[in-house]
Amino acid sequence: AQTVTQSQPEMSVQEAETVTLSCTYDTSESDYYLFWYKQPPSRQMILVIRQEAYKQQNATENRFSVNFQKAAKSFSLKISDSQLGDAAMYFCAYRSARGNTGKLIFGQGTTLQVKP
Amino acid sequence: EPEVTQTPSHQVTQMGQEVILRCVPISNHLYFYWYRQILGQKVEFLVSFYNNEISEKSEIFDDQFSVERPDGSNFTLKIRSTKLEDSAMYFCASSQDRAGNQPQHFGDGTRLSIL
Repeated sequence: AQTVTQSQPEMSVQEAETVTLSCTYDTSESDYYLFWYKQPPSRQMILVIRQEAYKQQNATENRFSVNFQKAAKSFSLKISDSQLGDAAMYFCAYRSARGNTGKLIFGQGTTLQVKP
Repeated sequence: EPEVTQTPSHQVTQMGQEVILRCVPISNHLYFYWYRQILGQKVEFLVSFYNNEISEKSEIFDDQFSVERPDGSNFTLKIRSTKLEDSAMYFCASSQDRAGNQPQHFGDGTRLSIL
């Protein structure tokens, strides 16, 4: 069975600085998708960025980018020029490319604090 | 932007009672999901639903749980006889497709408290 691990329960960053959130996963599959979701306090989870495992190029969405290391099964999220609105819980998630359900497997989450 | 909406935001129920959690997915979405998050723990998959039937369910989703799409817009999760350990935040999600490049859109969640 696949697992996702986020080893940093909490992180903090100074506004305008860069922070990296870690995520590792375990799978025997070769084709899958990885996601980072953001959950602001009392709000729904919003997709931040996604990565297809078959793509070598790291995904980028504005200030958010990932460092995808397939051999190491690592998928970290880098937030550049951090803003106060980035403060939230961040979840890393895995989805198999096989099967027909779209089930997401989540990590434990990392709470990001942004200091002004 | 269309959103997934969930009601109620907070539900308090006596142990042993039935509870129904409601969700309105995004209108052109075809795949629907329920997840739960016990306080301090991971978000866990419960069930996925497509074409009026369950596509996959986890071991958590036992006979006490059921889902249905009664009227083409709502998507409900019913727990027949609630237990204390059912206390959690329940998230509904929907997607246009099950393909990995189609994101799941989540609702705000329903906090279920079993007394």
